[in-house]
Amino acid sequence: AQKITQTQPGMFVQEKEAVTLDCTYDTSDPSYGLFWYKQPSSGEMIFLIYQGSYDQQNATEGRYSLNFQKARKSANLVISASQLGDSAMYFCAMSFSNDYKLSFGAGTTVTVRA
Amino acid sequence: DTGVSQDPRHKITKRGQNVTFRCDPISEHNRLYWYRQTLGQGPEFLTYFQNEAQLEKSRLLSDRFSAERPKGSFSTLEIQRTEQGDSAMYLCASTPGQGPRETQYFGPGTRLLVL
Repeated sequence: AQKITQTQPGMFVQEKEAVTLDCTYDTSDPSYGLFWYKQPSSGEMIFLIYQGSYDQQNATEGRYSLNFQKARKSANLVISASQLGDSAMYFCAMSFSNDYKLSFGAGTTVTVRA
Repeated sequence: DTGVSQDPRHKITKRGQNVTFRCDPISEHNRLYWYRQTLGQGPEFLTYFQNEAQLEKSRLLSDRFSAERPKGSFSTLEIQRTEQGDSAMYLCASTPGQGPRETQYFGPGTRLLVL
């Protein structure tokens, strides 16, 4: 069975600092995709970044980067230069080669302090 | 705005009533997904459509739930005889439908409260 674990229920970070959000997963499928989404208090899920299991390079997208360690089955999100608007819930999610739906972790709440 | 839209954004109903939610996907997106998210949890998959065909349903989708996408464009999710445990955020997402592991783009969700 596939499982996604986010062990940090909540984190505080100072404005302009970097923060790392942990995500580990368990799957025997060699082909999968890893996604990170941001969910502000308004509720909409906003796509941030994607990493494919066969991608050689770690994904980056603006201030977001993904620290992908395939052997350790981890896909941590790094947010650099945190801004007040980054305060939100962050979810790690996966999809698989023969399965189109997303499976989500429990999420991590990030609060950015001025 | 050409993103995914959902209507209504909020719904309060009494236990036992029926409710229907609508989702309009991004134009020309062939796959449409429904998820349910309870407070403090990640979204859980309910069902998805490829065009008008409903290809997968979660065991979470009890007999009281029904989803349709009659013309392969918008979709509706109906809950009959609502229960307090149905209170949740209902999220809709869409993808072009050209392969696996596509990025899903979500709508703003419908918050349901069953009294």
